[in-house]
Amino acid sequence: QKEVEQDPGPLSVPEGAIVSLNCTYSNSAFQYFMWYRQYSRKGPELLMYTYSSGNKEDGRFTAQVDKSSKYISLFIRDSQPSDSATYLCAIPRAAGNKLTFGGGTRVLVKP
Amino acid sequence: GAVVSQHPSWVICKSGTSVKIECRSLDFQATTMFWYRQFPKQSLMLMATSNEGSKATYEQGVEKDKFLINHASLTLSTLTVTSAHPEDSSFYICSAREDGNEQYFGPGTRLTVT
Repeated sequence: QKEVEQDPGPLSVPEGAIVSLNCTYSNSAFQYFMWYRQYSRKGPELLMYTYSSGNKEDGRFTAQVDKSSKYISLFIRDSQPSDSATYLCAIPRAAGNKLTFGGGTRVLVKP
Repeated sequence: GAVVSQHPSWVICKSGTSVKIECRSLDFQATTMFWYRQFPKQSLMLMATSNEGSKATYEQGVEKDKFLINHASLTLSTLTVTSAHPEDSSFYICSAREDGNEQYFGPGTRLTVT
């Protein structure tokens, strides 16, 4: 079993829709959870990080963590064509801040 | 925010030659740098971690003699792919962090080995 699993998509939605992205993880010791956005042929950029269970909002983005289910989610409200990208969840390992990435979900927002 | 650059952005080399990729932190001192490899439509796989002034730590399965990493200063790390082969063709991404802070990623380098 992979440490972090993510549906590869692609996920195609119309402009203005809510995008819902999910990851599951296997190690209950993980404490921090991150979401990155990666445009084609570019490096990832950090969107959000969360520490505890519950919701965290930042503009149109909401990150949700359910530690009891080992499940993390990212919601994008009022999606725009510029949100079309690959979204990766990432979890730092305990030591050295090494990141373990999910496989990434490709999102396409159609105008 | 913090900026990390990579050079070159795209390189083509012949099989058997070596190629060097540079990763620079432009406005902060990177005590730790990470090198990742990403194949098309796949996620980032950590190759190695380097701390300034010390030897890199490689992930399991990554050949340290093939992927030479040097982190000689607080703003520069280099990855040299030695005796490159077509299967080494990939997107190589570095990230850098200052102690206690998040990682910032470079824009990536596309390596094509012919």
